[in-house]
Amino acid sequence: GAVVSQHPSWVICKSGTSVKIECRSLDFQATTMFWYRQFPKQSLMLMATSNEGSKATYEQGVEKDKFLINHASLTLSTLTVTSAHPEDSSFYICSARGTSGSGNEQFFGPGTRLTVL
Amino acid sequence: GQQVMQIPQYQHVQEGEDFTTYCNSSTTLSNIQWYKQRPGGHPVFLIQLVKSGEVKKQKRLTFQFGEAKKNSSLHITATQTTDVGTYFCAGAQAGTALIFGKGTTLSVSS
Repeated sequence: GAVVSQHPSWVICKSGTSVKIECRSLDFQATTMFWYRQFPKQSLMLMATSNEGSKATYEQGVEKDKFLINHASLTLSTLTVTSAHPEDSSFYICSARGTSGSGNEQFFGPGTRLTVL
Repeated sequence: GQQVMQIPQYQHVQEGEDFTTYCNSSTTLSNIQWYKQRPGGHPVFLIQLVKSGEVKKQKRLTFQFGEAKKNSSLHITATQTTDVGTYFCAGAQAGTALIFGKGTTLSVSS
């Protein structure tokens, strides 16, 4: 199946710093990428939908100025957590949906575990 | 907004017993997908159901999509220890992002 990578796989940062997470579709073009957050033992919560070349659509309650999303190409989307705080510590997972083939199937990256001290 | 509810939240079974998790949507779906997530891992796609009343099987796993396209179930026959993990259903309306249920965490004792 299609492969989606994320980098880094884990990151520890100090409170107040910014962290960038990359999501790449390795063997297909992703017109749409999604960013989810998952707290321990909880479900995946959709944060935003990112379409290549346009502004991301954020879910209710997600601060767009805090979670900056850029989808500059058909294979790369980035999520920047600005001025991170301990409550932002979570597992961030991206997924990508291709331009053809399996329709609505989303391919998930391995996730990035963020710990803010 | 669209909500996807999933029950039970936890299920423990003895190896060899059957297991079922149920998923209900507040709105009619264009498709429903099922994912499995092992502890520490990321969700892995299992299957997608699109048609009303559709039933699909993968070895010991049986997936059903309701006639009204608002509910779905995953049934595992004769569970094995390798089946442990959290099973998520995720529904979407046409062209929209998947909305995940809270998941059912399955534990299996041998």
